[in-house]
Amino acid sequence: DIQMTQSPSTLSASVGDRVTITCRASQSINTWLAWYQQKPGKAPKLLIYRASSLESGVPSRFSGSGSGTEFTLTISSLQPDDFATYYCQQYNSYSSFGQGTKVEI
Amino acid sequence: QLQLQESGPGLVKPSETLSLTCTVSGASISSSGYYWGWIRQPPGKGLEWIGSIYYSGSTYYNPSLKSRVTISVDTSKNQFSLTLSSVTATETAVYYCARRGGYCVGNGCYFDYWGQGTLVTVSS
Repeated sequence: DIQMTQSPSTLSASVGDRVTITCRASQSINTWLAWYQQKPGKAPKLLIYRASSLESGVPSRFSGSGSGTEFTLTISSLQPDDFATYYCQQYNSYSSFGQGTKVEI
Repeated sequence: QLQLQESGPGLVKPSETLSLTCTVSGASISSSGYYWGWIRQPPGKGLEWIGSIYYSGSTYYNPSLKSRVTISVDTSKNQFSLTLSSVTATETAVYYCARRGGYCVGNGCYFDYWGQGTLVTVSS
């Protein structure tokens, strides 16, 4: 099993802040990593795949980086619509998700 | 516009079998070239991949659930289904169906289109 660990679990931020979320894999996953945004009562929304590829329609303030075991999701200037929970997902071997990072005011 | 919709009982008794169906609209399961999958999320917790299926019937299952999971496809109805046997209360969750993305290799992939999810409660 590949374990995914996100940090922090909760992040307090303000509109306009630059926000970074980290995801670590228990073994190398190359760049087979995706990021999702989830709002309460809604399905997850794909933001990033292959570690750094922006899904169509996702604002360019979202970016992803990393390879191997350490990855980051960056929001360059936090907007009111960005307050949500974010999940990373590895798909190098089957699939597993991180525990989530809640971005709150 | 691709849409996925989960359906099935919202309440299942412990030790019984959970059965859900996902109806796909806006694209044909058999001609799209994509895999389709199930993911679940217990209330207030994180996401767990259950398994995925191709229109041909080829499947990948989460190893931790493999002995109890079956995913099947009905191309004539443009649907795919999940059965999970011997459920326990800890498997109370929102169950999502989703489409696997296109830029993957092997048994894992991200998911780019999701249904709205359906809550299944396991309780007597």
